[in-house]
Amino acid sequence: QVQLVQSGAEVKKPGASVKVSCKASGYTFTNYGITWVRQAPGQGLEWMGRISADKGNTNFAQKLQGRVTMTTDTPTSTAYMELRSLRSDDTAVYYCARARGWNYVDYWGQGTLVTVSS
Amino acid sequence: QSALTQPPSASGSPGQSVTISCTGTNSDVGGYDYVSWYQQHPDKAPKVIIYEVSKRPSGVPDRFSGSRSGNTASLTVSGLQAEDEADYYCSSYASSNNFVFGGGTKLTVL
Repeated sequence: QVQLVQSGAEVKKPGASVKVSCKASGYTFTNYGITWVRQAPGQGLEWMGRISADKGNTNFAQKLQGRVTMTTDTPTSTAYMELRSLRSDDTAVYYCARARGWNYVDYWGQGTLVTVSS
Repeated sequence: QSALTQPPSASGSPGQSVTISCTGTNSDVGGYDYVSWYQQHPDKAPKVIIYEVSKRPSGVPDRFSGSRSGNTASLTVSGLQAEDEADYYCSSYASSNNFVFGGGTKLTVL
């Protein structure tokens, strides 16, 4: 069965960076993209960007341009999302999800809580 | 890219129907068939319940249906059940390789 397993919770100071991993299993990794979505406490879903697992092509939300990097490691079927220059309003649960092209996402990771606090 | 507009809350009694709207522009909801809806229970990851405006993934009850008129998409939940109480988010592909979510609607089953 399709599974996406994310790395554990992180606590970071303002200005630091965080890198969240997302290990996929149960499907051919390079046949789908990976989308990253975050959700601040008590808030809605925010699309961060996506990466095609075969070619590594990326697209990011405009507000995160320059602070976010998304990569994949195909031998281990793992996707990574790195966010730099963290601020308090980056505190959120970060989700990876399998992308059906630009259509929709069908399987989600369990979420990774990133807390930014001095 | 601005978020799609959803009502913050909706409610209905068991057995009733409720419709949640999602308003965008002709650069997202009205311009592409890539409108989807997600259900999220507290402290859980979202789950897709509608994709391509009106299609249901396997396993999603046919009580859930989607539609679109112009720049507004709608999710209708018929025969409300207690387990339908959750947050619902619409989403759409947007022009220039972007993707956008709605602000979310909290559905309460009275």
